Parts: sequence; C-alpha cells; structure tokens
Amino acid sequence: AQKITQTQPGMFVQEKEAVTLDCTYDTSDQSYGLFWYKQPSSGEMIFLIYQGSYDEQNATEGRYSLNFQKARKSANLVISASQLGDSAMYFCAMTSYPNAGGTSYGKLTFGQGTILTVHP
Amino acid sequence: EPEVTQTPSHQVTQMGQEVILRCVPISNHLYFYWYRQILGQKVEFLVSFYNNEISEKSEIFDDQFSVERPDGSNFTLKIRSTKLEDSAMYFCASSVTFGGTTGELFFGEGSRLTVL
Repeated sequence: AQKITQTQPGMFVQEKEAVTLDCTYDTSDQSYGLFWYKQPSSGEMIFLIYQGSYDEQNATEGRYSLNFQKARKSANLVISASQLGDSAMYFCAMTSYPNAGGTSYGKLTFGQGTILTVHP
Repeated sequence: EPEVTQTPSHQVTQMGQEVILRCVPISNHLYFYWYRQILGQKVEFLVSFYNNEISEKSEIFDDQFSVERPDGSNFTLKIRSTKLEDSAMYFCASSVTFGGTTGELFFGEGSRLTVL
C-alpha cells in the first residue's frame, strides 16, 4: 500500500520569497513516480511537476522544483519567487509501477494537501 | 492549450436517482480516469479506463458505479442510485500513457455532485 503524508495544513509566504511544501511517502515498490498538483479556489487540478524514483536529478519546471530525497522518502516542492497567484491548495501524489512494463494504471494516491497563502 | 472538460459543473439530485457525469478528455490521450474528492478530504482514485475497458478500480467503485466511452470522445461516469455519501467533487482525468514521465494526469475542473 502507498501512503502520502503532507504535515503542513497551511503555509504562509511573502510575495517574491521561496517556500517549501513538505511531502513524505511510503511504498514497498521499487519503481514509482511522485507528482505535485495545484488546486486553486476554482477547483481544477493543475499538474505542476513529476519525479520518477530512478531519476537522479531533481525535477524542475520553471519556478517549481522537487527536492527528492529517496533515502528519506521525501519529495518536497519548492516554489521560488512566490506570486499572489500561487495561493492555492497543493497536493502531493504518487503512483507505483509494480509491473515489469511500468504500468501504474494511473492510480494516484494523494496526500491531504497544504493550503498556501501568498501575502503581498 | 488542450484541456479536459467536464459537464455539468454542479448537479443536485435526490437520493436514489441516477446521475451521469460527462467528460471530454484531451483528444490524443488514451487513458481515462475518474477521481473524487469529498469536501475537506483527500482526492481518491475511482477507476482507470483504457481500450474500452476498466483497467483498475478502487474499492469505492462498487456496482453502483459504471463508466463508458459511448462515442469515442465522451467518457462518462454513471452512479445508478445515488446515496448521500456520494456527494463530492468528481474529477475526470486523462493521460497519454499509464506511466513514466509522460504519465502525468491532466484533470478537468470537476463536477460537483450534491445528493439531497
């Protein structure tokens, strides 16, 4: 079974500063993927970034980077230069690839989310 | 930018009624999903669908639920006899593949179901 834990129910950051949203995971599978999604107040889920368990480099997408520490089973999201539009709920999620063909069937396990508020 | 679209955005129904939620996935995607989010709770996987059949489903996805791709563009979730606990936001998603770096799921804006 997989588990995602986000221990920060809410975070506050000043505009233009960096913020780290914590995520730890648990899985017995050797091959897995980690995702971060953003959910604004309008409700849609927006994909931000992906990290594969065998990727040696930390994933980066623009102002988003994923601080992947495999031994600690953590996959923290770092948002640099926060903007007011970053205020939203952020979900960490994972999927496992238990089959030799790398098939996860798209089954993501989500954490409980962290509400980020960016102050001007 | 291509997107997943869902209708209706909000539906209110009486307990015991049938509900159909509709989704139009991104056109070149082959894999489709339904997730739900009960208010204040985690997003939960319901079902994945590929090649006109269910690939995997969760324990939530019981006999009251069914999915269908009736016409090659729409992907529907049917709840046969709604219960109060079915009240949730239902998200449709699609992806190019099931796994790997291209396996990211693209979600729609959700359909909020309220069962009275």
